Amino acid sequence: NFMLTQPHSVSESPGKTVTIACTGSSGSIASNYVQWYQQRPGSAPTTVIYEDNQRPSGVPDRFSGSIDSSSNSASLTISGLKTEDEADYYCQSYHTSDHVVFGGGTKLTVL
Amino acid sequence: QVQLVQSGAEVKKPGASVKVSCKASGYSFSSHGISWVRQAPGQGLEWMGWISAYNGNTNYAQKVQGKVTMTTDTSTSTAYMEVRSLRSDDTAVYYCARLGIMAKPLWGQGTLVTVSS
Repeated sequence: NFMLTQPHSVSESPGKTVTIACTGSSGSIASNYVQWYQQRPGSAPTTVIYEDNQRPSGVPDRFSGSIDSSSNSASLTISGLKTEDEADYYCQSYHTSDHVVFGGGTKLTVL
Repeated sequence: QVQLVQSGAEVKKPGASVKVSCKASGYSFSSHGISWVRQAPGQGLEWMGWISAYNGNTNYAQKVQGKVTMTTDTSTSTAYMEVRSLRSDDTAVYYCARLGIMAKPLWGQGTLVTVSS
């Protein structure tokens, strides 16, 4: 089965840039769209990136998404880090059109 | 307003069943499927399955096959998920979400199901 692997945690200082990778286990990650969700404690996930690199309205342009076919990975980059960005981040894609796959999640600490 | 609104928190005894609802508004319900996602305390997001709101076709994760039933009512734009034979490790927040390839993601607010004797 297709799996997505993320680092368990990352940390960086305010104002810096952090990148969270999401690596596909097989096939080509570029074959299906990748979404990224932010989840703060006690809240439902919210979308920060959809369709690989699209930002929903209201999400600052400090958030960007990309695909690297050579490493079969998707990446979420957050620039100009703020303490409010501290949260769990999940990537999501598809095994088939009706089979959703989530990465294990990455805890971002901004300190 | 485009949204998914879920039913309220539930407390159930082991062995019981629970049925969670998810009412869609602001978009054409039949045009997109609904996924159900579980998050146990302190854990990540786990996809449980998907139902087509167009024809009722389902695809369940292997882990919940035979334990979960997903249905829809197009007359009320509502999706349902029933979980049977509840155990303590079914305690979790259950989310409905529109996660289809051809749609912007959309999440419900979550429903906490607590299984305790």
